[in-house]
Amino acid sequence: EAGVVQSPRYKIIEKKQPVAFWCNPISGHNTLYWYLQNLGQGPELLIRYENEEAVDDSQLPKDRFSAERLKGVDSTLKIQPAELGDSAVYLCASSLAEGYNEQFFGPGTRLTVL
Amino acid sequence: GNSVTQMEGPVTLSEEAFLTINCTYTATGYPSLFWYVQYPGEGLQLLLKATKADDKGSNKGFEATYRKETTSFHLEKGSVQVSDSAVYFCALSDQDSGYALNFGKGTSLLVTP
Repeated sequence: EAGVVQSPRYKIIEKKQPVAFWCNPISGHNTLYWYLQNLGQGPELLIRYENEEAVDDSQLPKDRFSAERLKGVDSTLKIQPAELGDSAVYLCASSLAEGYNEQFFGPGTRLTVL
Repeated sequence: GNSVTQMEGPVTLSEEAFLTINCTYTATGYPSLFWYVQYPGEGLQLLLKATKADDKGSNKGFEATYRKETTSFHLEKGSVQVSDSAVYFCALSDQDSGYALNFGKGTSLLVTP
């Protein structure tokens, strides 16, 4: 069974440019998470989806970040415009359903903003 | 709010040494507790979990016991191997957070031959 797929794995952009990350969760997983992992830190939740609904986006900086999961399957996270401080690893995870104990993580997208 | 505190790294051990990585938590409810591992160049993987007090999670020789009285979930292994070199994250989740994971900062472990 395929795991959580993320692309691209690495992205280097100039500040003020837009960038988008894509995530395809494990088939059948209704719950999808985006986490931000700064260097030397643990991941922090950005947004949680139950199917196509964003049920917790309280930690998403909405002035520059947006996300969508239109058909309740794959998801895109966008930053526009990117800032130097956005350099980090962006992780996607999925689980069968809310309350299910195991989340499966993708390999992440490492973003470098110059 | 919920939080997780784990010991600072890096931790350097010789092969076959005993490992302990301390983790304590603060939570308002009754969280589930997890240890995730991140091997170099790879994604986060669930190592073990415990869902209620006094539960012991175990996997690949690693163990951790959910201690409600000390709000702790320390990771232990009796004899580490070079292949255990990785970053270890303690985490919790509960209903209040919608079961999103709340991670500690991670502890880097290096095992030398």
